Amino acid sequence: DVKVTQSSRYLVKRTGEKVFLECVQDMDHENMFWYRQDPGLGLRLIYFSYDVKMKEKGDIPEGYSVSREKKERFSLILESASTNQTSMYLCASSILGEGNQPQHFGDGTRLSIL
Amino acid sequence: AQKVTQAQTEISVVEKEDVTLDCVYETRDTTYYLFWYKQPPSGELVFLIRRNSFDEQNEISGRYSWNFQKSTSSFNFTITASQVVDSAVYFCALSENDSWGKLQFGAGTQVVVTP
Repeated sequence: DVKVTQSSRYLVKRTGEKVFLECVQDMDHENMFWYRQDPGLGLRLIYFSYDVKMKEKGDIPEGYSVSREKKERFSLILESASTNQTSMYLCASSILGEGNQPQHFGDGTRLSIL
Repeated sequence: AQKVTQAQTEISVVEKEDVTLDCVYETRDTTYYLFWYKQPPSGELVFLIRRNSFDEQNEISGRYSWNFQKSTSSFNFTITASQVVDSAVYFCALSENDSWGKLQFGAGTQVVVTP
């Protein structure tokens, strides 16, 4: 069965801290994605990766970076956390195949920046 | 500009009523893909359906059905005989061709089913 695992369900950090959100998938998927979810805005894409060490900016990359050193792991980094980055963060993965295949999501990390 | 519009913020129904969720999209591509996801209170998004732009057949899966109309750029979702377990946020999403499968989501519609 498909499994995307995010390291934490809830996380509280302080302004200015460097924050790491980890995501691991066990499906050998090529594509991985990070979204943030805010009320009334749906999910917005922060970054995605289609291969190891490859990354592309999404719609709202400012204040974030990512790392993909291994195929199964995709990390989201908040370089210097700010209160406006308080949000729900969702990781997803999908297979690189013909047509745009469904993404499989993790349970999400609810991040609070104080 | 938002490419996927879900105009209904919240819909409340009583169990066994039907509920239809609207989704209107915007794209210049001739090849694209539309999706519906369900997000129950637990938070994980659950994939429901994927439809490509060349397949306008309506689809039924149990109590769920989807109506895709390219002429009106709509991909509406109906839950028949709703149940309390259908209470969730439902998202419509668009993926354009040659986009690495990136999804553009609507704002979501909260469905509340009361007994």
